[in-house]
Amino acid sequence: GDSVTQMEGPVTLSEEACLTINCTYTATGYPSLFWYVQYPGEGLQLLLKATKADDKGSNKGFEATYRKETTSFHLEKGSVQVSDSAVYFCALSYGEGFQKLVFGTGTRLLVSP
Amino acid sequence: DAGVTQSPTHLIKTRGQQVTLRCSPKSGHDTVSWYQQALGQGPQFIFQYYEEEERQRGNFPDRFSGHQFPNYSSELNVNALLLGDSALYLCASSQGQGDTQETQYFGPGTRLLVL
Repeated sequence: GDSVTQMEGPVTLSEEACLTINCTYTATGYPSLFWYVQYPGEGLQLLLKATKADDKGSNKGFEATYRKETTSFHLEKGSVQVSDSAVYFCALSYGEGFQKLVFGTGTRLLVSP
Repeated sequence: DAGVTQSPTHLIKTRGQQVTLRCSPKSGHDTVSWYQQALGQGPQFIFQYYEEEERQRGNFPDRFSGHQFPNYSSELNVNALLLGDSALYLCASSQGQGDTQETQYFGPGTRLLVL
């Protein structure tokens, strides 16, 4: 079935370092791809999305490009802040006449001053 | 504009009991999905409601049931609670056509602990 694989965490970085969180997917058809972020004790917030191949989603300095040839959707940021510390989930959406999100296991990011 | 709201925020039950969780979708949304997030895991899809009917179901037993009301709000019911049902239950809302491009917006969740 459809699935998402994320790199294991935690990812520990110093403030202003570059971030990459790897995400690859397996899917039949052409899913939409999402990154959600979860801050401690909270629900999920949409960070960015891409709905077709070669689309780039971006928000708050984060970017990810939908790569159909490598079935990847890696999350990147050029300079992280302490406030970026959270758990990041990659997800795909598929369904015929309905929408179901399939999530990876999440990657915890810890940014120190 | 209110986002997705859920109640209660926390709940403690004992094995064998039944629980009802509630969700109000974001304004303008008519589709509600429920997810279970075990500690340290990604959310798992339970089911989705649209036009007061269950449109799709994930791999969860019949102990998990739901309902959607005419105002689009929704309830998740879990019967005969097991210790393994302890999790964060997330509600997400979206607009109804079932388009995979639609974004699902999540509520803060209800944390259920089964003792």
